[in-house]
Amino acid sequence: DAGITQSPRYKITETGRQVTLMCHQTWSHSYMFWYRQDLGHGLRLIYYSAAADITDKGEVPDGYVVSRSKTENFPLTLESATRSQTSVYFCASTGTGEVYNTEAFFGQGTRLTVV
Amino acid sequence: TQLLEQSPQFLSIQEGENLTVYCNSSSVFSSLQWYRQEPGEGPVLLVTVVTGGEVKKLKRLTFQFGDARKDSSLHITAAQPGDTGLYLCAGLLSNSGYALNFGKGTSLLVTP
Repeated sequence: DAGITQSPRYKITETGRQVTLMCHQTWSHSYMFWYRQDLGHGLRLIYYSAAADITDKGEVPDGYVVSRSKTENFPLTLESATRSQTSVYFCASTGTGEVYNTEAFFGQGTRLTVV
Repeated sequence: TQLLEQSPQFLSIQEGENLTVYCNSSSVFSSLQWYRQEPGEGPVLLVTVVTGGEVKKLKRLTFQFGDARKDSSLHITAAQPGDTGLYLCAGLLSNSGYALNFGKGTSLLVTP
């Protein structure tokens, strides 16, 4: 199916465990993003990537690792999960048209609970 | 640091009423976008405004970009229950490439 898909949709993990959230897009968009959404904070940027093998930190990168070996995939890894990382995580992608007029396409989100 | 301040945070109105949501900042944006998010889904783009003073209409929704490109508003005329959702403004800074800065959102509930 065309679009941007995230997996899993729901995940419960224990404190200290490593967990990877997957993101796959079929448009060959250059830019991909990871956001977390929390009550009272809105959407905050964790990491983003301009192309394969190019990644950069966003507003809240601590405790997260990303990689982008292929254009279509952008996994997000929590190296040692903490309760403060309980959140809803959204992956998004954009094309590279005029930068001020590009639309971000979002996945359906992964609800992560760290217990 | 939240660059974009949205108000109000919550809004509960009855069908047929009008409402306005505000998005303010001290920063100048290359463009400003409005997204709508339904429960359990990701945000979906409603509109992009680029030029200072620009007004765009989408059926009963009117979007305005401030003259100085620091603020925006969303006005809904004759709200309907189908308008219920979370409305998010997001801005692009000239030096941030394609990374959007989001406001905290306005949660709108329209009751019949």
